Amino acid sequence: AQKITQTQPGMFVQEKEAVTLDCTYDTSDPSYGLFWYKQPSSGEMIFLIYQGSYDQQNATEGRYSLNFQKARKSANLVISASQLGDSAMYFCAMSSSDTGRRALTFGSGTRLQVQP
Amino acid sequence: DGGITQSPKYLFRKEGQNVTLSCEQNLNHDAMYWYRQDPGQGLRLIYYSQIVNDFQKGDIAEGYSVSREKKESFPLTVTSAQKNPTAFYLCASTSRPPTSLRGEAFFGQGTRLTVV
Repeated sequence: AQKITQTQPGMFVQEKEAVTLDCTYDTSDPSYGLFWYKQPSSGEMIFLIYQGSYDQQNATEGRYSLNFQKARKSANLVISASQLGDSAMYFCAMSSSDTGRRALTFGSGTRLQVQP
Repeated sequence: DGGITQSPKYLFRKEGQNVTLSCEQNLNHDAMYWYRQDPGQGLRLIYYSQIVNDFQKGDIAEGYSVSREKKESFPLTVTSAQKNPTAFYLCASTSRPPTSLRGEAFFGQGTRLTVV
């Protein structure tokens, strides 16, 4: 079975500073994908970044980067130069190589608040 | 514009009633999913469908039913057997084939269901 753990229920960061949101995962699958989503107060889920288990380099998308440490089974999201609009819930999720099930497994989320 | 449309945005249900949540996508995606989100928690998988006329139970399928008669549509019925249906429901779709881990899920805006 897969499991995603996000141990930070809430985080505060000053505007323009960087912040790291933690994510650890557990899976017996040799091949998997890791995702981060942002959920603003309006409720929609916004895709931020993806990391494949066999990708050699850490993924980056603009101000978002994923610190992937495979041996530690961690996939932390780093947001650089935080903006007020970054205030939201952030979810880490994982896809499986199990062809019988293709849905994402989500963590419990981290609420990020960016302070001016 | 391509996307996923969920309706209604807000839904109120009386005890003992069945209600149906609509999910329509024009992204030509094969796979569709229903998730439930409780306050302060992550998303849990209710049902998913990889192809028309086929669907599978997720982790919390009891008290729910779905159909997939058309590629574009994946309605979710919350039956009276669901003891605690008050939650935020999100529909998603993905384009990736079963052998691919990549390919983010696109989400609808969600339906907030309240039992009165």
